[in-house]
Amino acid sequence: AQSVTQLDSQVPVFEEAPVELRCNYSSSVSVYLFWYVQYPNQGLQLLLKYLSGSTLVKGINGFEAEFNKSQTSFHLRKPSVHISDTAEYFCAVSDVTGNQFYFGTGTSLTVIP
Amino acid sequence: DADVTQTPRNRITKTGKRIMLECSQTKGHDRMYWYRQDPGLGLRLIYYSFDVKDINKGEISDGYSVSRQAQAKFSLSLESAIPNQTALYFCATSGTGTGGLNEQFFGPGTRLTVL
Repeated sequence: AQSVTQLDSQVPVFEEAPVELRCNYSSSVSVYLFWYVQYPNQGLQLLLKYLSGSTLVKGINGFEAEFNKSQTSFHLRKPSVHISDTAEYFCAVSDVTGNQFYFGTGTSLTVIP
Repeated sequence: DADVTQTPRNRITKTGKRIMLECSQTKGHDRMYWYRQDPGLGLRLIYYSFDVKDINKGEISDGYSVSRQAQAKFSLSLESAIPNQTALYFCATSGTGTGGLNEQFFGPGTRLTVL
């Protein structure tokens, strides 16, 4: 089975500053990796995903993430955050069969004006 | 129209009552999932189904049951609700496309409170 650790439960950051949300995973097999965002009172929506190929993945709203196999990490980054980026962010992993997804505990990003 | 819908969106009930949460999807996906979300615990898988005749237990299935009435419908039941089942419940779907796995698509959630 796989597992995901999101190291930071809360990340406050000032508007227009860069941000990195950390995600580490554990798996004995090849994996697919995902970042989801949950805005207040809404469901989860996909930000970006890594299936194969380039280790730098670009997603919606200016976010990107880099897959690092040796460090088993998939950190999410944005060079300049906006107030509208305030949300809960979840990292998720699955094996290549996609039978199950395993989610991290989430990181609450708060952008301060 | 939303691709994955959940009803009801909010529900308050009493301990011991039977509750059913419903999920419908128009994405044509075979795979459907039920999760619960609790603060600080993220999403935990309750049950999942890969087609109408396939039902599998997830990480936290005790106290829950499901029914896959059709490809597009997947219901979650709490036979006798208890307060620690108070949570936000999400339905999700996924399919398999070119190159393999697609991501999961989530409904808007059902907020359940058990008094």
